[in-house]
Amino acid sequence: SAVISQKPSRDICQRGTSLTIQCQVDSQVTMMFWYRQQPGQSLTLIATANQGSEATYESGFVIDKFPISRPNLTFSTLTVSNMSPEDSSIYLCSAGMTGGNEQFFGPGTRLTVL
Amino acid sequence: KNQVEQSPQSLIILEGKNCTLQCNYTVSPFSNLRWYKQDTGRGPVSLTIMTFSENTKSNGRYTATLDADTKQSSLHITASQLSDSASYICVVSQGAQKLVFGQGTRLTINP
Repeated sequence: SAVISQKPSRDICQRGTSLTIQCQVDSQVTMMFWYRQQPGQSLTLIATANQGSEATYESGFVIDKFPISRPNLTFSTLTVSNMSPEDSSIYLCSAGMTGGNEQFFGPGTRLTVL
Repeated sequence: KNQVEQSPQSLIILEGKNCTLQCNYTVSPFSNLRWYKQDTGRGPVSLTIMTFSENTKSNGRYTATLDADTKQSSLHITASQLSDSASYICVVSQGAQKLVFGQGTRLTINP
């Protein structure tokens, strides 16, 4: 199994600013993902974080709004840029191994944009 | 369209009672089906994972079933405890690591 930590756990931000969320895995994993969970909703995949190359974004999500870094096999960041109140959500990091059945989730970052 | 539908949307039961949550899916190709428990303010935690050939899997008081022919799954919770209050999410894996999430069932256990 993999233990995933995220920082910050929550934040309140002003409209127009940016926030970078960090995700750390306690073991080397091949796959890392970023999800968004809006209030009362289930999880929506934002992108797959690829080590050493550009992330792969899902429909409706773009790199300019959600730039992602993944410098190594255990760490990734997601930036929410030029925030608006509609970005208020929980952002979750997950990780797993290629071809594996399990996907482990971090505790999430609760973001509120005023 | 690849979809996972769960019912009921919410459920309230008394501590010690049993309950069953339902999941129907139309995901193809099918790799596996997972049930996750998500406590308020926390990330989802895996309860069970079933592949096409498995029709039941248990994890303590949680028992999941899978009928691949009818594309239905259920999660049965026995002798519920207050700590079982959470959202339960059915997730179908569509190939390698592509997950389709249900909306979840919000379960409340009352003393």
